Parts: sequence; structure tokens; C-alpha cells
Amino acid sequence: ILNVEQSPQSLHVQEGDSTNFTCSFPSSNFYALHWYRWETAKSPEALFVMTLNGDEKKKGRISATLNTKEGYSYLYIKGSQPEDSATYLCAFRNNDMRFGAGTRLTVKP
Amino acid sequence: EAGVAQSPRYKIIEKRQSVAFWCNPISGHATLYWYQQILGQGPKLLIQFQNNGVVDDSQLPKDRFSAERLKGVDSTLKIQPAKLEDSAVYLCASSLEGGTIYGYTFGSGTRLTVV
Repeated sequence: ILNVEQSPQSLHVQEGDSTNFTCSFPSSNFYALHWYRWETAKSPEALFVMTLNGDEKKKGRISATLNTKEGYSYLYIKGSQPEDSATYLCAFRNNDMRFGAGTRLTVKP
Repeated sequence: EAGVAQSPRYKIIEKRQSVAFWCNPISGHATLYWYQQILGQGPKLLIQFQNNGVVDDSQLPKDRFSAERLKGVDSTLKIQPAKLEDSAVYLCASSLEGGTIYGYTFGSGTRLTVV
């Protein structure tokens, strides 16, 4: 993988569902992996910065894991709420910061 | 602390016109970035400043785009003349130390529509 790839592109879930997305990145020359949440008409907001293989980070109902050897990170949202609706971006850092295209999450009440 | 300020929020122009965007980063952040985010794609770095010097402008279309950060604080990005494919959200971000540990702080962006 030369670029940062995110899947799925979009996701529609019901309130209360748990969900997860994937970020795939080059497994060589890893420095850091960043997750951002971007709500419409607002600034992208930093969620996590992950640097170590096996890292797990948690913020409320959102958590993320990191596998630098195989080049992927998962973002999990437990019990999705309508306010979780946003685009979730991951960014791979080595010499520069390379962003994926994001996963657009819509949570229906 | 105040966030990264950008203006305008929205801009609609005709092709071949000129447009300028402004960014004021977080106080004390030495590094400033301009990103272009086209619908359906990830943000793409256009230019990175360290204080008032350019660190990376390899993806800036220099025939029509220019950017400056004269006093090492706020910055302007200009497009002259604009093309239809320049329609995008232009994001400004800043960071303390290159963003490795703490990541970037973004502004809310300028949505440009070229018609």
C-alpha cells in the first residue's frame, strides 16, 4: 500500500449500534498514525495520535487500535449516537502527513 | 486558547477570476499548513511553512497558486486565475513542532466553488 486507504467510504447505522472503520497505510517507515473527526461546517478535531505497535487508545465511546507491522488501524464507536455523525479521517505520518479520504458516518435516531 | 481562524467561510467565483484566503494560526505555532480537500478525496498538502520560510510546496500548482507568511504569523493563499477543478475546501492548520506528537489544529476551512 502506497497511499492511505479508508473503508468503508460511508456508513449508515442506527442509534445504539456499534461500528468500526479501517485505515490501511504503508507498513514501512512508520512514525505516527492520527485519527480526526470532521463534522460538517466545523474544523477537523484530533481524536488520537498513535505511535506504537499494539497501541490502544480510548476517548469515551470511541477507541482505536494500531498494527504497524501489517499497516492498519481500526476505529471503534460503541453505542453510536446521532452526534457521532461525521467524517472520520486517518493520517499516516512519516516525512509528511498523508490523509485518507475518510469514512462518512451517519447515525440515524 | 483561540483556534485557527480562517476567512472567508464560503466563496463562489467564476473561472479565471482571482481569490484569496486568509489564515491566522494558534499563537506560538511555528508550523502552518494549507491543505486542499476535493470532494471524495483526502486533504492534500499544498504548502507547509516553518515560521516564514517554505518547508514543502511540492504539490502547489505554482502557475496559479501562491502563498505567503510574511511575518511568520498569519498567511494568505491566492489562486489566480481559478479553474473549475479548484472547487474544494481549503483547510489551514498549525502545529507546535511539526505535528508529530500532538497532530495539527485545523481551521474550519474555506469552501470554494468555481463556476
